[in-house]
Amino acid sequence: DTAVSQTPKYLVTQMGNDKSIKCEQNLGHDTMYWYKQDSKKFLKIMFSYNNKELIINETVPNRFSPKSPDKAHLNLHINSLELGDSAVYFCASSPLPSNTEAFFGQGTRLTVV
Amino acid sequence: AQKITQTQPGMFVQEKEAVTLDCTYDTSDQSYGLFWYKQPSSGEMIFLIYQGSYDEQNATEGRYSLNFQKARKSANLVISASQLGDSAMYFCAMTTRYKLSFGAGTTVTVRA
Repeated sequence: DTAVSQTPKYLVTQMGNDKSIKCEQNLGHDTMYWYKQDSKKFLKIMFSYNNKELIINETVPNRFSPKSPDKAHLNLHINSLELGDSAVYFCASSPLPSNTEAFFGQGTRLTVV
Repeated sequence: AQKITQTQPGMFVQEKEAVTLDCTYDTSDQSYGLFWYKQPSSGEMIFLIYQGSYDEQNATEGRYSLNFQKARKSANLVISASQLGDSAMYFCAMTTRYKLSFGAGTTVTVRA
């Protein structure tokens, strides 16, 4: 059983398209995150959700819209994709209080051409 | 605001030797958690070790130990008896409330 699963693993798309990345966790965690890892491997937090509510939005462009239909899912929709959006996107979840490890999905490698 | 600093972009270590990866952090919160993650070339994020801000003893997990110096705000990772499979990127991270932030990472290369 995969604890945090992301789909798709790879995504190649053209500039201007709209795409979604799905994330599901079966750990019963309250908090979920989206991270962007750029070509220099820096992991930048994008969003943090707690029990379906947006807690943190780290100055992410409006083209990125997270959706949490329930606390087990946190999907990421990206409109009007740009070349600079190419990166690996990680979903993660953790329990509250967040004093134990966060579990990560396998990542989605997004390539915008 | 919280900040995590890893000053070593890359390190080389001989197989079977120990290596210390530096991490300093800054936060105004009294309650926080410190983590180390490993990211091999395959890309997955692997949890290694956790230290809570109120934990008085340094955390250990097998060959990994976390040297926690609260007054200095440092949380260095020590990997003992390095193995070739330890070659990877290592991230220090800190969690406060609903935010888990990462340092820039240190690439470790283990030489045979």
